[in-house]
Amino acid sequence: RKEVEQDPGPFNVPEGATVAFNCTYSNSASQSFFWYRQDCRKEPKLLMSVYSSGNEDGRFTAQLNRASQYISLLIRDSKLSDSATYLCVVNKDTGFQKLVFGTGTRLLVSP
Amino acid sequence: NAGVTQTPKFQVLKTGQSMTLQCAQDMNHNSMYWYRQDPGMGLRLIYYSASEGTTDKGEVPNGYNVSRLNKREFSLRLESAAPSQTSVYFCASKAGNYGYTFGSGTRLTVV
Repeated sequence: RKEVEQDPGPFNVPEGATVAFNCTYSNSASQSFFWYRQDCRKEPKLLMSVYSSGNEDGRFTAQLNRASQYISLLIRDSKLSDSATYLCVVNKDTGFQKLVFGTGTRLLVSP
Repeated sequence: NAGVTQTPKFQVLKTGQSMTLQCAQDMNHNSMYWYRQDPGMGLRLIYYSASEGTTDKGEVPNGYNVSRLNKREFSLRLESAAPSQTSVYFCASKAGNYGYTFGSGTRLTVV
């Protein structure tokens, strides 16, 4: 089983749609969770951290379900500029934090 | 506000040649990392450095060496390049419990 698993997509949605991505992780001891965004041929950039109580940043909402070991990202009112690959990231251990990256979910927002 | 700077951005090597990828960060972060990203494989950790003077192997260290020259700089060396090392290499740094900040990447082709 992969340490972090994501549906590779692509998710094709029209502008204005709401889209959700899920990610599952295998290490129940993981403490830190993030969503990164990566544009084609660019470096990954931190989109948001994921907190136990869930958190929101504008049109983006992240949720954590520790019992089921999954993380979700909800994007409301999709924009063309949201087209990118979204990487789910989990820390590998409780000590020094090496982050493990999922292979990403590709989102394509069309006019 | 440079963040993480990687050089070079592109490189073509012949099999057996050596080269060093340079990385420097100006954010006073303790932790630095080298990842490679291949299609369908996601980001895989090559080496990391928890602090100045320490380095440790990651998931795919074979064929690479690293040097943490000082707090700012963390270099990755390929002693004898192989076609399997064709990839995009990202350097990253991190402070505390926050996510990584990545450099813009080095696209390496080994022929």
